[in-house]
Amino acid sequence: EVQLVESGGGLVQPGGSQRLSCAASGLTVSSNFMAWVRQAPGKGLEWVSIIRGDGTTDYAASVKGRFTISRDYSQKTLYLQMNSLRAEDTAVYFCARDRQGTSMDYWGRGTLVIVSS
Amino acid sequence: DIVMTQSPLSLPVTPGEPASISCKSSQSLLTSNGFNSLDWYLQRPGQSPQLLIYLGSYRPSGVPDRFSGSVSGTDFTLKISRVEPEDLGLYYCMQSIETPWTFGQGTKVEMK
Repeated sequence: EVQLVESGGGLVQPGGSQRLSCAASGLTVSSNFMAWVRQAPGKGLEWVSIIRGDGTTDYAASVKGRFTISRDYSQKTLYLQMNSLRAEDTAVYFCARDRQGTSMDYWGRGTLVIVSS
Repeated sequence: DIVMTQSPLSLPVTPGEPASISCKSSQSLLTSNGFNSLDWYLQRPGQSPQLLIYLGSYRPSGVPDRFSGSVSGTDFTLKISRVEPEDLGLYYCMQSIETPWTFGQGTKVEMK
């Protein structure tokens, strides 16, 4: 059974940094496309970033240059390093397995990031 | 970026009755291998999204067959043949033909 569990959320000041983790079981992070999607309070879903099996990455324009997606060599954890955080980055962040760029079939429960002074 | 426009944004439904949600993309989602890169997701209250339909009309295993997806050019439709109480929530379409993947605004399905 595939499970994705996010962690690392919390309260951070504007301009600060936070690293989110997504622990995977039942699938190998390094051989899958993995994505981050976020949802601001009371708002819709927003795609944030993807890392493909070959290691290439893409980002939403709103986070490009500030966020970095990566994975560890144990093949079990996906990360999202978030720098220069802004109030508008406040959201629940979900990690998901992306099926070769066609759809996201496994999702974690999400971790809440609040950017506020 | 590709813009995805859903309608309606709110859909009151009656259990046992059919329901339909539309999604229109600002450009073609047809890939070179003949598939449409359009997914439908359901987010029940307090839960993470769940994949309902992928490639426009394909249903993953475990998704009830009362859910179906159809395509006509850049117009996509999600149909529920008979609404069940557990179908309440927010429905999103999403394109994955080019990054950034983009979602529709969401359609809130609620009981009348």
